[in-house]
This record gives sequence, structure tokens and C-alpha cells, in this order.
Amino acid sequence: QLQLQESGPGLVKPSETLSLTCTVSGGSINNRDSYWGWIRQSPGKGLEYIANIYFRGSTWYNPSLKSRVNISVDTSKNQFSLNLTTVTAADAAVYYCARQVGGSSQIDYWGQGTLVTVSS
Amino acid sequence: QSALTQPASVSGSPGQSITISCTGTSSDVGGYNYVSWYQQHPGKAPKLVIYDVSNRPSGVSNRFSGSKSGNTASLTITGLQAEDEADYYCSSYTGSSTWVFGGGTKLAVL
Repeated sequence: QLQLQESGPGLVKPSETLSLTCTVSGGSINNRDSYWGWIRQSPGKGLEYIANIYFRGSTWYNPSLKSRVNISVDTSKNQFSLNLTTVTAADAAVYYCARQVGGSSQIDYWGQGTLVTVSS
Repeated sequence: QSALTQPASVSGSPGQSITISCTGTSSDVGGYNYVSWYQQHPGKAPKLVIYDVSNRPSGVSNRFSGSKSGNTASLTITGLQAEDEADYYCSSYTGSSTWVFGGGTKLAVL
């Protein structure tokens, strides 16, 4: 059974960089049918797609966040990571990492989510 | 990339059926058969209930079904049960391997 677990600071100062890591267990991040991504949910709000990555390094970004986001993968550690620069209060949210099945709209495995607060 | 449009809330009584709509454009919902639906209970991660417009993952009740017409996708839940009370989100492929979600619909089982 695939499991995803987010990790990273729960508090980030305004204008600084938010960095999160997702550790994949129970399966390989090198799976050819898998795309790995980040999705966030602001308090009381809906879901927002942030970015996706394939194990070979191809990346895709939400156009509205693209200038501030970088997603990367470390296959040796079975992890992928998110960096979001110059954060503001609007970036406070629960951040989920997830697996999307290639060639399908299935986002079938999700991490439990990690709450990130932006405050000085 | 604008969020897909969903009703803020829907409600139904146990045993009844409800339908939640998800309206996009020809660049997302209408352009691809890559629409999925997620159920989210408070404090929990979303759970996939429908993918590729009308496919149900293993383990999801057959009371859940999906469809699409033009730029609007729909999720129907029949035989409403108390455990169905949750937030529901649609998602669609937008091209260039990116995705967009709907604003979410709160389902109340009265």
C-alpha cells in the first residue's frame, strides 16, 4: 500500500521560502505510471493544484504560482520536494502531496497534509 | 486557469439522490475526459470517488456515479447515507499536464 508523508516547518515568516518534502513508502517513486504533485487548501477554502513532477525530472506548474514555485525529485531517497518563495499570508494552507496516475485523472494517494502558517 | 464552478452547497434526505455539477470551459472539462471527483471529510485528506468522468475506483460504493455533457460534469449520489455528508471537489485536466479544481460543494444529509 502506497503511503505519502509530508514534512517541513509548520511556520514560515513572510517573504521567506516555504520548503516541504514528501516521502513515498510502499512503492517506488520511479514508477513509470506515476506523477507526483503538491496540492494545497487554504483554511476553509477549496483545493488548489500547485505542481507535478515525473521521476525523470519533467515538471508542470500552476500558471498562477509558477514564478514562485519549484518542485524537485530525489529518487535515491524516494522523495520529492516543494519550494515556494516569497510567501505571504495568502500562502498559509494545508499542503498535501499526492500521486497522480499517468494517462488518467486519478489522484489516488494523498498524504495526510501538513499545515503551514505564515507569520512573523 | 480559473477554478471550476460548483454549487456551494446541496442537501438531501437519507435514501434520496443528489447531483453536484461542475462547470468549466472547452479548455478543461469540455476538452478532455479527465474529470475526477473527491470526497473530503473534515480534517481529512481528499478521497477519490470518480475518475475519468465516470469510473469508480475499487472500494467506492456504486451509489456514486459521474457523467459529463459539454463543459459540465456531474456527480450523482444515490441512496444518500449519513456518511456521505462531506465536501466534494471536482478536478479537470487543463492541458499541458496541469490540473484545476472546483471550489467545492458541501453536502448536507438532513
